[in-house]
Amino acid sequence: AQSVTQPDIHITVSEGASLELRCNYSYGATPYLFWYVQSPGQGLQLLLKYFSGDTLVQGIKGFEAEFKRSQSSFNLRKPSVHWSDAAEYFCAVGPMNRDDKIIFGKGTRLHILP
Amino acid sequence: GAVVSQHPSWVICKSGTSVKIECRSLDFQATTMFWYRQFPKQSLMLMATSNEGSKATYEQGVEKDKFLINHASLTLSTLTVTSAHPEDSSFYICSARDTGYTFGSGTRLTVV
Repeated sequence: AQSVTQPDIHITVSEGASLELRCNYSYGATPYLFWYVQSPGQGLQLLLKYFSGDTLVQGIKGFEAEFKRSQSSFNLRKPSVHWSDAAEYFCAVGPMNRDDKIIFGKGTRLHILP
Repeated sequence: GAVVSQHPSWVICKSGTSVKIECRSLDFQATTMFWYRQFPKQSLMLMATSNEGSKATYEQGVEKDKFLINHASLTLSTLTVTSAHPEDSSFYICSARDTGYTFGSGTRLTVV
């Protein structure tokens, strides 16, 4: 079955500290992987995506993610978080070549301590 | 980059009335758009896949007669919540695929 697991519902880090949000997936075909961020009452903004090539992907706002096929993981990282990074983060997986739906994880709420 | 415009951002309607939400791809053509519903503090739940020029594909448990989807052009899909009730109050988000999946800013629907 196709699924995305974000094991951490909430994560709290101090401002300036490093961050890693975990994402594991189960997908039958070669996956197209995404990380989105959502602020309260807003839509989803794409942080980064992995299609193929270099497994370390750079995104916006200083985020990066690493695709590890052997671990079926696509963890999101940031070396130093800012208070404005407090939001909900969603990992998602979808098909590469078809107009088919993507599957979302349940999300991780990031809290930043001053 | 690709932009998806969703309107209105919020709407309040009376119980029993219908509400239409628009989703437009501004700088690309989208043969397929997706409609999601999101409850507070939860993930996105796919309601239906909107296909230009054909009937939408609804997910299991979603009432197609209540949530009418029209995708009449390559840049516009609409979701109409018919005979709205308070339990339909939610955050609705559309998405369109270009090289990735671009999302609208969402519509907060409140039915009173």
